[in-house]
Amino acid sequence: QQQVKQSPQSLIVQKGGISIINCAYENTAFDYFPWYQQFPGKGPALLIAIRPDVSEKKEGRFTISFNKSAKQFSLHIMDSQPGDSATYFCAASIGSSNYQLIWGAGTKLIIKP
Amino acid sequence: DAGVIQSPRHEVTEMGQEVTLRCKPISGHDYLFWYRQTMMRGLELLIYFNNNVPIDDSGMPEDRFSAKMPNASFSTLKIQPSEPRDSAVYFCASRLYGAGTTDTQYFGPGTRLTVL
Repeated sequence: QQQVKQSPQSLIVQKGGISIINCAYENTAFDYFPWYQQFPGKGPALLIAIRPDVSEKKEGRFTISFNKSAKQFSLHIMDSQPGDSATYFCAASIGSSNYQLIWGAGTKLIIKP
Repeated sequence: DAGVIQSPRHEVTEMGQEVTLRCKPISGHDYLFWYRQTMMRGLELLIYFNNNVPIDDSGMPEDRFSAKMPNASFSTLKIQPSEPRDSAVYFCASRLYGAGTTDTQYFGPGTRLTVL
């Protein structure tokens, strides 16, 4: 019940296209859902995050869509660029007092020029 | 402001040797996390500290692994003796908890450990 399932494992998108990565969870107590971006040789870095009181959050070309009833959330990257090529991790945690993020397995995204 | 600092960035050692990884969290952060990343197992939380106190070490794979945080500015992860299956990238991350803060964990650049 503590798992976060992420798909796909890898994704190839043409430049200018839309990249979509999906995550699903079981624990309804989760109330914080971040996405982290990791470039080769670097540590993960927070990209965007959402709490379940909203269904969508947008920051530039990056959007999180959240479906509480389906217990799913997804990352959409609009107008994907080669510089977006990275590994993306979704995660979830319980409450602001919670220390521990439960991580998805990661999606390796390649944007073809 | 400097981010999380880890050293060394790369470590190559032979099986059976002791390995010590070091981390300096962001100043003022009160949580520190040690992660291990491999292709097979992804990102695994090994242990985390709150105000220098170890809170949950259930992710530490074996007794060969130990971690300390003697003060708010420094933490170590030690593997003794090391084995080839310990080869991975080890990340340290820190976080500030409190009103008005986010739940963001800030990761260091990682230490790539290779055990021959």
